Amino acid sequence: GAGVSQSPRYKVAKRGQDVALRCDPISGHVSLFWYQQALGQGPEFLTYFQNEAQLDKSGLPSDRFFAERPEGSVSTLKIQRTQQEDSAVYLCASTPGLTTGEFFGPGTRLTVL
Amino acid sequence: RKEVEQDPGPFNVPEGATVAFNCTYSNSASQSFFWYRQDCRKEPKLLMSVYSSGNEDGRFTAQLNRASQYISLLIRDSKLSDSATYLCVARSGSARQLTFGSGTQLTVLP
Repeated sequence: GAGVSQSPRYKVAKRGQDVALRCDPISGHVSLFWYQQALGQGPEFLTYFQNEAQLDKSGLPSDRFFAERPEGSVSTLKIQRTQQEDSAVYLCASTPGLTTGEFFGPGTRLTVL
Repeated sequence: RKEVEQDPGPFNVPEGATVAFNCTYSNSASQSFFWYRQDCRKEPKLLMSVYSSGNEDGRFTAQLNRASQYISLLIRDSKLSDSATYLCVARSGSARQLTFGSGTQLTVLP
């Protein structure tokens, strides 16, 4: 497709459930990022991939958060044992290079009840 | 203290007005700078890159002052469609991620 796509667009989970969020970056973009955006705030960095290599995961808030990009294209962000504070919009972004800006997907709005 | 700070606004201006947003960053290692626009319940979209020499795109002008660690965005002849949240963004050379300010909300009134 022409842009970054994410699925699902909306996810409601009960506290304690595991969730998996998918990102399809723009074809050919080697760099992929995950961000978390709380209401009224700017996006906050979670993790970064260059091709299949996860080069930075310093923004992941706890060991319940796990991301992968096994073939260097599609990425999955997994959250285990979800908590209410995990409720946010999770944005995926890709870029062809680090001197340009990033192109964001529409996000997955996660609500944990 | 946040690494990128912006006045949250809101800025409410009439159509046709000129409005300026300011932003400061604290990481002197930051190398690339951008303004993003985010509409309500939508993803951020790249508006323009920011350079020390200035960058103009139609009604929009962005400027970077590295000595003061200060970034600005000027919107001339504002339109109703300019209503959005404007995010000031920096990328440092050591980390690869973008660091966002909290955004400045703009509403252009008829």
